Amino acid sequence: AQSVTQLGSHVSVSEGALVLLRCNYSSSVPPYLFWYVQYPNQGLQLLLKYTTGATLVKGINGFEAEFKKSETSFHLTKPSAHMSDAAEYFCAVSEMNTGFQKLVFGTGTRLLVSP
Amino acid sequence: DTAVSQTPKYLVTQMGNDKSIKCEQNLGHDTMYWYKQDSKKFLKIMFSYNNKELIINETVPNRFSPKSPDKAHLNLHINSLELGDSAVYFCASSEISGGKNTEAFFGQGTRLTVV
Repeated sequence: AQSVTQLGSHVSVSEGALVLLRCNYSSSVPPYLFWYVQYPNQGLQLLLKYTTGATLVKGINGFEAEFKKSETSFHLTKPSAHMSDAAEYFCAVSEMNTGFQKLVFGTGTRLLVSP
Repeated sequence: DTAVSQTPKYLVTQMGNDKSIKCEQNLGHDTMYWYKQDSKKFLKIMFSYNNKELIINETVPNRFSPKSPDKAHLNLHINSLELGDSAVYFCASSEISGGKNTEAFFGQGTRLTVV
């Protein structure tokens, strides 16, 4: 069975600092990996996804993530945090052999950005 | 134009009642989903329909019954509501046929409170 672990339910950074949100996954087959963002009282918006090919994936709003198979990780980074980045971030995995049909989510990381 | 829309956005009801949540997508996708987000923000898939056919049915009480009148709509009916059903319910859609395999697009969520 697939699973996702997000280390740290809360991450606090200062505006302009590096953002690093950690995600490790478990999957018996090659995975598809995703990061979604949820702003307060909003739905989930896709930041970026990894399917195949280049392991460094660039997404919206300056975020990027690197798929590291040997570490079973897909950490999300942004060089310089902005106040508008404050939100809940979810890492998710689905099985390549079933496409994107069933997402298994991590428990989320709340990003707090201080001035 | 809203891609995936859910109604209502908020729903407060008493234990034992029956309620429905409606979802519509105008993206032309062939697959729709219901996810449940609990009070700890944990997201879990409940159901998935592909072209009106049920393809994923997780371990969900049979008080929950999804209905898909056409591929653009997936409604969720809940009988005999219980306190533990209080959560945010997200509808999503994606395209999985013809090799397209798009990511899931989420609605804004329906916050259900059972009192």
